[in-house]
Amino acid sequence: GDQVEQSPSALSLHEGTGSALRCNFTTTMRAVQWFRKNSRGSLINLFYLASGTKENGRLKSAFDSKERYSTLHIRDAQLEDSGTYFCAAEWGGGLSGKLTFGEGTQVTVIS
Amino acid sequence: NAGVIQTPRHKVTGKGQEATLWCEPISGHSAVFWYRQTIVQGLEFLTYFRNQAPIDDSGMPKERFSAQMPNQSHSTLKIQSTQPQDSAVYLCASSLDSRTGGREVFFGKGTRLTVV
Repeated sequence: GDQVEQSPSALSLHEGTGSALRCNFTTTMRAVQWFRKNSRGSLINLFYLASGTKENGRLKSAFDSKERYSTLHIRDAQLEDSGTYFCAAEWGGGLSGKLTFGEGTQVTVIS
Repeated sequence: NAGVIQTPRHKVTGKGQEATLWCEPISGHSAVFWYRQTIVQGLEFLTYFRNQAPIDDSGMPKERFSAQMPNQSHSTLKIQSTQPQDSAVYLCASSLDSRTGGREVFFGKGTRLTVV
């Protein structure tokens, strides 16, 4: 079946530094979403991309459907960026808009 | 915009009892999804409605689970004869699901079901 491989599974960052998360897809996906799960367990929408790149503050995401990957870059990390980040991809065919989730990246920002 | 509203937030049922979970999608959203989250399986798709019609229930367990959307403002997920392995966080989500309006999906806060 469709798979989303997310890496790394865990990441520690010092405040002020940056890093990247990546999701690889085993098939062509129509779009990708990135979420952060906050301390109360809610999924917070970060980005929705059907192509190209988007930037929001210290976060930037890219999606290449042809090359079957998406990335999420965090720059100038702050303590409040800690949480579990998920990518979720929407398969390219059919009527279904269902999302297939990666396993998540546990990001810990340390001072 | 109150977002996707799920009730109850927590539910504890005894093994063998029935559990009904409720979801109110974002007003105007035509697509409603149910997902389940466990530590072992992660986030799994269960079922999907568009304009209240069931479109894809490929993730639903064949027995004991059913979902309905009787009107555009709410959907229910019912689990009959609950088992301990049904314990999970059940998430409802909605989207505009249109070519012009986009397909970004928004999630509710979930219902944590515990079967004892």
